[in-house]
Amino acid sequence: SQTIHQWPATLVQPVGSPLSLECTVEGTSNPNLYWYRQAAGRGLQLLFYSVGIGQISSEVPQNLSASRPQDRQFILSSKKLLLSDSGFYLCALSGASSYEQYFGPGTRLTVT
Amino acid sequence: DQQVKQNSPSLSVQEGRISILNCDYTNSMFDYFLWYKKYPAEGPTFLISISSIKDKNEDGRFTVFLNKSAKHLSLHIVPSQPGDSAVYFCAGISGANSKLTFGKGITLSVRP
Repeated sequence: SQTIHQWPATLVQPVGSPLSLECTVEGTSNPNLYWYRQAAGRGLQLLFYSVGIGQISSEVPQNLSASRPQDRQFILSSKKLLLSDSGFYLCALSGASSYEQYFGPGTRLTVT
Repeated sequence: DQQVKQNSPSLSVQEGRISILNCDYTNSMFDYFLWYKKYPAEGPTFLISISSIKDKNEDGRFTVFLNKSAKHLSLHIVPSQPGDSAVYFCAGISGANSKLTFGKGITLSVRP
């Protein structure tokens, strides 16, 4: 069965510091991968998605970037964090031609 | 523009009774709808889905109804159990491998 790993589980970073969140998946090949964010009191918003290695689509302009260096690895980064980057970051995957997306455990990021 | 709306932020139900969670959408291009359940500090868990060509899908205690003309769907949980207490998100998607558009969620509390 497919498994999604995210780390770290929680992170507290000062404003202006860099960020790197990692998502790795197991039990599936060539998945579509997604980064979502849930800000306080809001629903989940798609940030990036990837249909393959090196292929990244951005949904909203922001202070973040994403990369997919390997088939089962998806990385979310920032060069300089803003207070507004605080939130709960979720990695998700779906299979080819599949509607259902499955989510990882998430990373709680607090920017101070 | 909020394409998926969950207008009731919370719902409280007695154990054993039916829980009805409602969701409205505005995007006519959605061809599939999904419900997710989320506990605090965890990623959402996929519950049940429905294609736009159907009006009902049932899985155990969970049934999703779709009224396409009204752009309305609902999740019925019967009988409700205390372990069902969580935040429930409705999401729409237009095409497989596309992004999920989420509502803001409904907090369900099932009283023993």
